[in-house]
Amino acid sequence: DAGVIQSPRHEVTEMGQEVTLRCKPISGHDYLFWYRQTMMRGLELLIYFNNNVPIDDSGMPEDRFSAKMPNASFSTLKIQPSEPRDSAVYFCASSIGFSQTQYFGPGTRLLVL
Amino acid sequence: SQQGEEDPQALSIQEGENATMNCSYKTSINNLQWYRQNSGRGLVHLILIRSNEREKHSGRLRVTLDTSKKSSSLLITASRAADTASYFCATDPPGRRALTFGSGTRLQVQP
Repeated sequence: DAGVIQSPRHEVTEMGQEVTLRCKPISGHDYLFWYRQTMMRGLELLIYFNNNVPIDDSGMPEDRFSAKMPNASFSTLKIQPSEPRDSAVYFCASSIGFSQTQYFGPGTRLLVL
Repeated sequence: SQQGEEDPQALSIQEGENATMNCSYKTSINNLQWYRQNSGRGLVHLILIRSNEREKHSGRLRVTLDTSKKSSSLLITASRAADTASYFCATDPPGRRALTFGSGTRLQVQP
């Protein structure tokens, strides 16, 4: 298996623009997680899905953030409108079962100017 | 506040030495995991230890868990320059159906 795939790997955008991050989890995994990592706040869980259903979105910072998982092989994290403070590395991870080993993607490095 | 906190925040050793990192957490857990992150990369799972286990080995890694003290340690023996990375512990606190990661220990192994 190719592992968790994320795109794009790097994104530079201007404040106010819409940003869409994409993730393809490992086939057969029933949990998908979105994290954000910054120097100041470390690794933060934003939202996670179980069998394509959002379970806990309490980590989503604002209404500007939204996430979807239309099917078992694809998820998106959208920021609209983007702000400079959203600059971070966004990771997607997937796992089989609850609180088991998570497999991380390579991340998307987002810079909002 | 984060469930797991690693100590020290940074550690610098010479190749061949052992590296020990500690993790403290606040609530009961089902298991505790350790992950490694190389600069600019995603996290990679190293080892999982269940709450009823006290020690676990995997290659040059040794993990201990003391649930009475709510702490865990990760020992890397005979370190190599390639071990240079950040190491995170992750726990699954009750009421939150997902892992909570600590702030990490940055390990630098000098060749």
